[in-house]
Amino acid sequence: EPEVTQTPSHQVTQMGQEVILRCVPISNHLYFYWYRQILGQKVEFLVSFYNNEISEKSEIFDDQFSVERPDGSNFTLKIRSTKLEDSAMYFCASSRGGNSPLHFGNGTRLTVT
Amino acid sequence: GIQVEQSPPDLILQEGANSTLRCNFSDSVNNLQWFHQNPWGQLINLFYIPSGTKQNGRLSATTVATERYSLLYISSSQTTDSGVYFCAVVGQFYFGTGTSLTVIP
Repeated sequence: EPEVTQTPSHQVTQMGQEVILRCVPISNHLYFYWYRQILGQKVEFLVSFYNNEISEKSEIFDDQFSVERPDGSNFTLKIRSTKLEDSAMYFCASSRGGNSPLHFGNGTRLTVT
Repeated sequence: GIQVEQSPPDLILQEGANSTLRCNFSDSVNNLQWFHQNPWGQLINLFYIPSGTKQNGRLSATTVATERYSLLYISSSQTTDSGVYFCAVVGQFYFGTGTSLTVIP
């Protein structure tokens, strides 16, 4: 069964550094998402992406965040200048349609020190 | 936005017991999905269930969209069922608060 893949599985970075989290969505899916989960808390929506542009974003997704689909397969989340409170698990998901089931990757655990 | 509340927040079961997890949502939704987050943090898709009932082995789910709730049934629980169970409103991006399940041998 096709999977969403995320790399790296764990990223440690220093406060103020830029990080790029990478995702390869399922190939015939058209909608892409980033979510995050702070340890012990619920999963929070960051952004959705469709037709090469952001379709929805939450208030968490401020100017420090950006997303890109640089080629036909990758979908990236960039955090421009990381803060301690950005430490979380970041999940990428994709779906065939806007109301279709979400398929999640295994996540990238980001630790900001 | 839509509020998605799950109950109970925590549940401890003896292996072999049955349980029912509930997801209430504050507004009408077109689609709902249940996930199991295992102890390694992976989100495993259990059911995509906008309405009606579905079954998969020991698990089944029912959504009554007109009454704004969904139920997840776990029968004959096993230790591997431990983890956090989330419901999510697809399309509006909201996840529920989660039910943390611990199954003890």
